[in-house]
Amino acid sequence: DVVVTQSPLSLPVTLGQPASISCRSSQSLLYSDGNTYLTWFQQRPGQSPRRLIYKVSHRDSGVPDRFSGSGSGTDFTLKITRVEAEDLGVYYCLQGSHWPPIFGGGTKLEI
Amino acid sequence: QVRLQQSGPGLVKPSQTLSLTCAISGDSVSSNSVIWNWIRQSPSRGLEWLGRTYYKSRWHYDYARSVESRITISPDTTKNQFSLQLHSVTPDDTAVYYCARDVHGTYGSYDFWGQGTLVTVAS
Repeated sequence: DVVVTQSPLSLPVTLGQPASISCRSSQSLLYSDGNTYLTWFQQRPGQSPRRLIYKVSHRDSGVPDRFSGSGSGTDFTLKITRVEAEDLGVYYCLQGSHWPPIFGGGTKLEI
Repeated sequence: QVRLQQSGPGLVKPSQTLSLTCAISGDSVSSNSVIWNWIRQSPSRGLEWLGRTYYKSRWHYDYARSVESRITISPDTTKNQFSLQLHSVTPDDTAVYYCARDVHGTYGSYDFWGQGTLVTVAS
């Protein structure tokens, strides 16, 4: 199976400052149809995961534009331009280009 | 708006069968365009995809290798829901279980999730 590695495990942040989370896969996530199936989820304490970004950089409706996704091949990044209190929680990436779908281990965004 | 409502017991004895149900509103379990999944989360395993079902001319089922010998996912078109059965459970199956939807062609981009059910395996 593809191995998906997130870093850091924990990310101390200051409100109003930027934050960046890395997601790396052991194989290229470029699919045969030309798309790259890398998804980012946010999980707030006590809640189910919520999809933020799909296909590397497509932001879901209702997701603030301070969230952005980028990357290609095996290296991907989730960036938050200015962290707000509601952004605290755990962030997961997921690769869907190879079977089976695999989640990263998560990055905890905390003050 | 799609809503997934989970139900089922929170405590299961070792060697017995874990059974959960995910009731769907705002979509159809037999829609040709979506896939219905079960995912679990535990401190030791993180988020782990377990299996899925979908309808395209016939019902399809796919399961994770780690549980494929003891998992069953079943759609129920009369109640517009789908269920998870995990047989011969051990304490290692203790986790929060989620149902989730993804759309064909989005490859794991789960856009709607159930509220989660904490299932503890203990005697």
